[in-house]
Amino acid sequence: GAVVSQHPSRVICKSGTSVKIECRSLDFQATTMFWYRQFPKQSLMLMATSNEGSKATYEQGVEKDKFLINHASLTLSTLTVTSAHPEDSSFYICSAYRGTGGQPQHFGDGTRLSIL
Amino acid sequence: DAKTTQPNSMESNEEEPVHLPCNHSTISGTDYIHWYRQLPSQGPEYVIHGLTSNVNNRMASLAIAEDRKSSTLILHRATLRDAAVYYCILRDNFGNEKLTFGTGTRLTIIP
Repeated sequence: GAVVSQHPSRVICKSGTSVKIECRSLDFQATTMFWYRQFPKQSLMLMATSNEGSKATYEQGVEKDKFLINHASLTLSTLTVTSAHPEDSSFYICSAYRGTGGQPQHFGDGTRLSIL
Repeated sequence: DAKTTQPNSMESNEEEPVHLPCNHSTISGTDYIHWYRQLPSQGPEYVIHGLTSNVNNRMASLAIAEDRKSSTLILHRATLRDAAVYYCILRDNFGNEKLTFGTGTRLTIIP
């Protein structure tokens, strides 16, 4: 099946640091990429939808200046958590997709972000 | 988004079939039924999807009710590696491509 690579898998850093997470679709060109966040014992919450070459669409309540998304190519999207604080600690997951709603999304293995 | 309802948790014995139900009474004609599962500390994994007819693949089968208001994911022979949270999600073919995750069903496999 399709493979989505997410890097890094784990980050531990100090408060105030900016952290970049990469999401790559390895064997297909993704029309759209999505970024999710998951807190412990909760479900995935969509943060933003990213289309190549255009600005990301953020879900209500997600600060676009805090979570910067760049989708430079059909195979790469990045999420930068700027000036991270302990409350930003979470499991961040990307997915990539091509086609219509009848096609599946393919997910990365997630990035566990811990802010001290 | 059309909503789905799933039991919070289920248990099954290893090597036995598992039937995971999902209710989606407000499904529209263009909604696909998608199933994903999430193992601990991993991203979700696509399992299967369908529109009207039952579907089979190497992982599972999807049985869709005739009125499409419910569906059942069938794992034919559960293994310990099938222990996960299973999400049933509706996805519009012609509009919003995003997936809205509910709470899913936590499946426990008993050795």
